[in-house]
Amino acid sequence: ILNVEQSPQSLHVQEGDSTNFTCSFPSSNFYALHWYRWETAKSPEALFVMTLNGDEKKKGRISATLNTKEGYSYLYIKGSQPEDSATYLCARGGFQKLVFGTGTRLLVSP
Amino acid sequence: NAGVTQTPKFQVLKTGQSMTLQCAQDMNHNSMYWYRQDPGMGLRLIYYSASEGTTDKGEVPNGYNVSRLNKREFSLRLESAAPSQTSVYFCASSPLEGVYEQYFGPGTRLTVT
Repeated sequence: ILNVEQSPQSLHVQEGDSTNFTCSFPSSNFYALHWYRWETAKSPEALFVMTLNGDEKKKGRISATLNTKEGYSYLYIKGSQPEDSATYLCARGGFQKLVFGTGTRLLVSP
Repeated sequence: NAGVTQTPKFQVLKTGQSMTLQCAQDMNHNSMYWYRQDPGMGLRLIYYSASEGTTDKGEVPNGYNVSRLNKREFSLRLESAAPSQTSVYFCASSPLEGVYEQYFGPGTRLTVT
């Protein structure tokens, strides 16, 4: 099993703050890095799938970068809003399956 | 287009009872997955099916069996439930394995007493 580590475990910010999380993963035999957003009482929903070193993806105020050589990815949220409150999961894709980290729980207060 | 559906939503079992969790997707995806989610543990893969007719073990397969009934349906069976199997179970599907995003069902909350 390839360990995927996420930090911090939880984060509490004020509305309007920008924030970022880290996902660390083994860099050998890399296929893809996934980010999912998981709201309480709902199912995880995909944000990004990145495959190439140096990849950058953006969706609205959320963006992500990937460094496959050193084995990390950053997720950035610009100007956090209360509706951004969720757990953000990253997962390392191998040939056939994903290994998930335990997530970063974000709480954005108005 | 319902996406990924799971039944039941909630279930309470006594130790030793058996049950089957059902999952279906209508997106014509090839790959399907069963995960369990426990506090502090994240999502752990139980079994997956890369394509119709194939199934493989994931990280935590003990105590479970699966059936890929057809391209749409992938069921998870607990033959003799144990309290350690109390968890939330998610089914997911993707067009192909690995580099494609996964689409998750709403989950089944199972309690084994």
